[in-house]
Amino acid sequence: DAGVTQSPTHLIKTRGQQVTLRCSPKSGHDTVSWYQQALGQGPQFIFQYYEEEERQRGNFPDRFSGHQFPNYSSELNVNALLLGDSALYLCASSLLQGAGETQYFGPGTRLLVL
Amino acid sequence: DAKTTQPTSMDCAEGRAANLPCNHSTISGNEYVYWYRQIHSQGPQYIIHGLKNNETNEMASLIITEDRKSSTLILPHATLRDTAVYYCIVRVAAILTGGGNKLTFGTGTQLKVEL
Repeated sequence: DAGVTQSPTHLIKTRGQQVTLRCSPKSGHDTVSWYQQALGQGPQFIFQYYEEEERQRGNFPDRFSGHQFPNYSSELNVNALLLGDSALYLCASSLLQGAGETQYFGPGTRLLVL
Repeated sequence: DAKTTQPTSMDCAEGRAANLPCNHSTISGNEYVYWYRQIHSQGPQYIIHGLKNNETNEMASLIITEDRKSSTLILPHATLRDTAVYYCIVRVAAILTGGGNKLTFGTGTQLKVEL
């Protein structure tokens, strides 16, 4: 049973460019959440998708957008990249079955913006 | 979600029990306590969670005080591979938030297991 997978593992971009990160949830999961983790900090919640809609959003600008596909996989898009967007981007999946649902994380995508 | 307080760092000898405390004095009755750990540059790994009863699984035990204002994660026989940052998170069940179940991470406890 494959866990959460993310691609690519590493990425280098320059300021002003756009980037797309991808996530495949754990088998049987229907909800995908994205987090940003800057060096030395804990992960910060970006947004969550369920039934192909953004269900919850953290304190991130509109440059951060996402999408969920019918097979529950998800993409995170970041436009007009800034140096401060350099971070580890984590995807987590869960099954929204009510109380106590647990999120499982992928290995992350390390983004470096030059 | 309630705020948590954890020590910045802890040391533990290999083979001994590691007891990681977490204070969540403002926790409400419908909030769960979750523990994750993150080994350097990897994604966070789920360990255990509970509401008010003590819980145990193959990785660890979670002890929640009767007033639910604090909890302790116990790794019964710590090994070098348990060296990681441990996060204690308090979260309301998604069914009560209208569906969202985001996790709010703090800075966690850096556990160092030594020979």
